[in-house]
Amino acid sequence: KQEVTQIPAALSVPEGENLVLNCSFTDSAIYNLQWFRQDPGKGLTSLLLIQSSQREQTSGRLNASLDKSSGRSTLYIAASQPGDSATYLCAVPGGGSEKLVFGKGTKLTVNP
Amino acid sequence: GAVVSQHPSWVICKSGTSVKIECRSLDFQATTMFWYRQFPKQSLMLMATSNEGSKATYEQGVEKDKFLINHASLTLSTLTVTSAHPEDSSFYICSASRRELSPDTQYFGPGTRLTVL
Repeated sequence: KQEVTQIPAALSVPEGENLVLNCSFTDSAIYNLQWFRQDPGKGLTSLLLIQSSQREQTSGRLNASLDKSSGRSTLYIAASQPGDSATYLCAVPGGGSEKLVFGKGTKLTVNP
Repeated sequence: GAVVSQHPSWVICKSGTSVKIECRSLDFQATTMFWYRQFPKQSLMLMATSNEGSKATYEQGVEKDKFLINHASLTLSTLTVTSAHPEDSSFYICSASRRELSPDTQYFGPGTRLTVL
């Protein structure tokens, strides 16, 4: 059974800092991994999707890496801004189907 | 493109009543829709997967007679929480996908906050 763990559960940083969020998964037989952003009381916004054949994906100040063999992914946020404050979720496909297995998320607070 | 809406965005109901939540894909036809539930400070947990015109597939531990799912068209799926109880209070999120459009992508709705008194 696929399990996804995200560390840390919460992170508070001053504006401008670079930071790394971590995601690990137990079953490395995945075909992709996704990072999402969730604002309080809201739905999910897809940030990055990494295919299993890729090692990283970049979108603006965000860079996500994937190491399938070790079951790990990182989300790097450069030059953080208060608007980046949200919960970041990592998800992988589970059970050989389209369904997604999510981690509990990392709640990020960027202080001005 | 690929917008998913949910209605209502929040609902408060009395214990024992039934509540229906709608999930619509606004600008694409969704062959598959997913229903997730999220408790405070917890992961999103998949409840069920529904394909248009067929019965939903429920995850282990989810009562299909309590959480009725209808995917009657390619743009609409509904989740009905029957005889709701306080422990059903949660944030319900749907997502939709269309394999031909983007095989690896689920488009998520904004969620529905259910509070059962």
